[in-house]
Amino acid sequence: QKEVEQNSGPLSVPEGAIASLNCTYSDRGSQSFFWYRQYSGKSPELIMSIYSNGDKEDGRFTAQLNKASQYVSLLIRDSQPSDSATYLCAVNIRQGAQKLVFGQGTRLTINP
Amino acid sequence: EAQVTQNPRYLITVTGKKLTVTCSQNMNHEYMSWYRQDPGLGLRQIYYSMNVEVTDKGDVPEGYKVSRKEKRNFPLILESPSPNQTSLYFCASSLRGQDNEQFFGPGTRLTVL
Repeated sequence: QKEVEQNSGPLSVPEGAIASLNCTYSDRGSQSFFWYRQYSGKSPELIMSIYSNGDKEDGRFTAQLNKASQYVSLLIRDSQPSDSATYLCAVNIRQGAQKLVFGQGTRLTINP
Repeated sequence: EAQVTQNPRYLITVTGKKLTVTCSQNMNHEYMSWYRQDPGLGLRQIYYSMNVEVTDKGDVPEGYKVSRKEKRNFPLILESPSPNQTSLYFCASSLRGQDNEQFFGPGTRLTVL
């Protein structure tokens, strides 16, 4: 099992709809979870961080964490064409040497 | 402006010719790291540094060296580059460690012929 897994997509969502991105992780001891957005040819930039079970909202973005299920998701409401990008899930893995592990990313396309 | 800078942005070189990619941050961050990004493999950590003179291996350290003599700089050294090191490289920094937001540099696209 990969330490952090995401569906690579592409995920296609109509403009104005909700985009749902999912991520699972293997280490039950992980405490820190991040969603980064990466436009083609650019560097990753942080969208959300979440550390506790439940939902965290920031504007159109909501991160959801379920540690029991080892699952973290990102919801994007009212999706815009400018949201088209690759979304990277990152988890601070604590088994053995602590390290930040990125998923392979989900490519999201918002269709006008 | 708070930022992470990398140089060069693009580099084409030949096998075996030593090269250094520089990374500098102006945010007084303690933690810095290097990643490589390859299609289908995502971002993988090469080396990281918790503070000056403290460095440690990430997931894919073979063929790379780093140093952290000053807080702001964290150069990546390829002593004898090989074609399998052709990749997109990102330097990142954060305030204290991997529990904090990582700020990424613009990336260096390296091709080793």
